[in-house]
Amino acid sequence: KAGVTQTPRYLIKTRGQQVTLSCSPISGHRSVSWYQQTPGQGLQFLFEYFSETQRNKGNFPGRFSGRQFSNSRSEMNVSTLELGDSALYLCASSDRDEQFFGPGTRLTVL
Amino acid sequence: GENVEQHPSTLSVQEGDSAVIKCTYSDSASNYFPWYKQELGKGPQLIIDIRSNVGEKKDQRIAVTLNKTAKHFSLHITETQPEDSAVYFCAAKKAGGTSYGKLTFGQGTILTVHP
Repeated sequence: KAGVTQTPRYLIKTRGQQVTLSCSPISGHRSVSWYQQTPGQGLQFLFEYFSETQRNKGNFPGRFSGRQFSNSRSEMNVSTLELGDSALYLCASSDRDEQFFGPGTRLTVL
Repeated sequence: GENVEQHPSTLSVQEGDSAVIKCTYSDSASNYFPWYKQELGKGPQLIIDIRSNVGEKKDQRIAVTLNKTAKHFSLHITETQPEDSAVYFCAAKKAGGTSYGKLTFGQGTILTVHP
């Protein structure tokens, strides 16, 4: 099976802009979770989607949002970017407890 | 909410030695404990996991132990090789409900294996 894919791999944006990141899960997996990874805060949970429904959300401001499509592909959006949003954004695909991560999207906000 | 503490933050060993990384968790409702290896420029890779109804699990050179009473779990790597050098993360998860899809991670351990 193909692994989790994320696009784009790298992004550079300026403050105030918005960005959309994409994740394609492993075939057959219906759950997609998103995480933010930074040197200071480590890996932090953003939200989880299952069958197009957000089932769980972490402690991030409303500027962070997501959605999931009928084919289980997921997108996350960050609006009004801030410098502190610079991070590696990871998505993870699962069908039970095990989560399999993609390579991430490196977002740099200038 | 759940809190996971991981130690040590860095670990340096000689090739062939064993390496042990320890984690403690705060929420007794957690029942799933995975370990991830992250290499530079890559996403975390699941290397082994354990559930709360099991005390120990082994996969070749890697083993994980769980002490539910003390709320801690450990990763053991034997016969370390230079390719084991990476950042290792422990994590904890509760079953269902408001914990859907949420792994709580430790801060990570940078493991360096010297040839």
